[in-house]
Parts: sequence; structure tokens; C-alpha cells
Amino acid sequence: NAGVTQTPKFRVLKTGQSMTLLCAQDMNHEYMYWYRQDPGMGLRLIHYSVGEGTTAKGEVPDGYNVSRLKKQNFLLGLESAAPSQTSVYFCASSLVSGRSDTEAFFGQGTRLTVV
Amino acid sequence: DAKTTQPPSMDCAEGRAANLPCNHSTISGNEYVYWYRQIHSQGPQYIIHGLKNNETNEMASLIITEDRKSSTLILPHATLRDTAVYYCIVRVAHPRGSNYKLTFGKGTLLTVNP
Repeated sequence: NAGVTQTPKFRVLKTGQSMTLLCAQDMNHEYMYWYRQDPGMGLRLIHYSVGEGTTAKGEVPDGYNVSRLKKQNFLLGLESAAPSQTSVYFCASSLVSGRSDTEAFFGQGTRLTVV
Repeated sequence: DAKTTQPPSMDCAEGRAANLPCNHSTISGNEYVYWYRQIHSQGPQYIIHGLKNNETNEMASLIITEDRKSSTLILPHATLRDTAVYYCIVRVAHPRGSNYKLTFGKGTLLTVNP
């Protein structure tokens, strides 16, 4: 049981390049999230998904796209990277149970630098 | 989701109890209080959550006031490894709703000193 795995862990992109961050969870969780965290800041929600085939915008969705084709995977795409997207990206998942969800599990982060 | 207010930083001596406050005066009846922590650029880690009763687990205790407008996270015997940013989050309880998401603020940096 690996929990939440993010790929890659580090990446350097040039401005205008595209890339996809992969988040995989093996806990059969329904909910998945993508956050970004900038120095000295809390986590900001980019997009989230409440189930396979569904996605929704969070606080800072501009410049990002997501897909949830399989329940266990949540992909975050940058179509044309900008220096403002330099950040640490965290993926999380949570299981819905009864009237409240259980804890959310987080990956170890992807450190992305756009030059 | 209701907003939360936390002090930006706190200090605690090793071995003593750490009491981290959180104000959530606009909390509604169906919103839970969650606590997470983030140790130096790692992914956040769940600690505890509750609705209106006090909760305790192996990591911490959560005390929620009777009017539910504030809460306190208690680490009974803080260690150096508890140095982290602690996030208090209030969110709706019902799953599958369009507003179902986990939103973080800036949290409280707890520094445990030897």
C-alpha cells in the first residue's frame, strides 16, 4: 500500500513548455485534489475531483487543466508553463464515509521550477 | 466553508503541552473542524477532526467550545519533531456536494524548543 504517489518529484521547465504531473493513489479513494504551495504560503487548491470522470475548479485554476479518467489517477497539466507556476505541487486523496470524510492523505510533493 | 483565524506562530518547550487556538466564529451546524500539520515542506498530515464533542486520538486532543466558535488543538507532550505548521480547517460535512473541498489557510508555525 503506497498511499499517494506523485510523479515526478522534481522538474525544471522552460517557459512555454508543457508537462503533466501524475498523482496515483491505491486506497480506492473517491476524492482527489491538486494544491500548490508557494514560499511562506499555505496550500492553495487548484482543482479537485469528487469521482472518476468529474473535475471542479478550486481557488487558483487558471493555467492548469486536470483529468480523472481512472479512479486511482488524477493528472495535472500545464499547457504553457510560466515562471509564476514555479511552486511545490501537492496531490491528496480522501475517502468518503458516512456523514464526514476521513482524513486526506497527501503525496510528498513535486517541486517545479519554470525558467 | 467558514473562515478560520490562527496565530501565525507559537513556541513551546519540549515535554510541555502545546495548545494551538483556532477561531471559527462563522461556523455553521454541519461544518467539522479539521487539523492538519506540515513538517518542513513535506505533504500535510492529518491530525484529528470533530463536530462538537471533544476528540482524542494517539496524536492529539481537540477541544471545541460549546458554541463551536473556537477550538484548541492540544499536543500533550510536545517533542522537537512536532515543530511544524498547523492548519485549522472548517469544512462542510456532507460528501458529494459541489462545495466539498479542503481549503488551507496560512496556519500556525509551532516551534518546539529544547
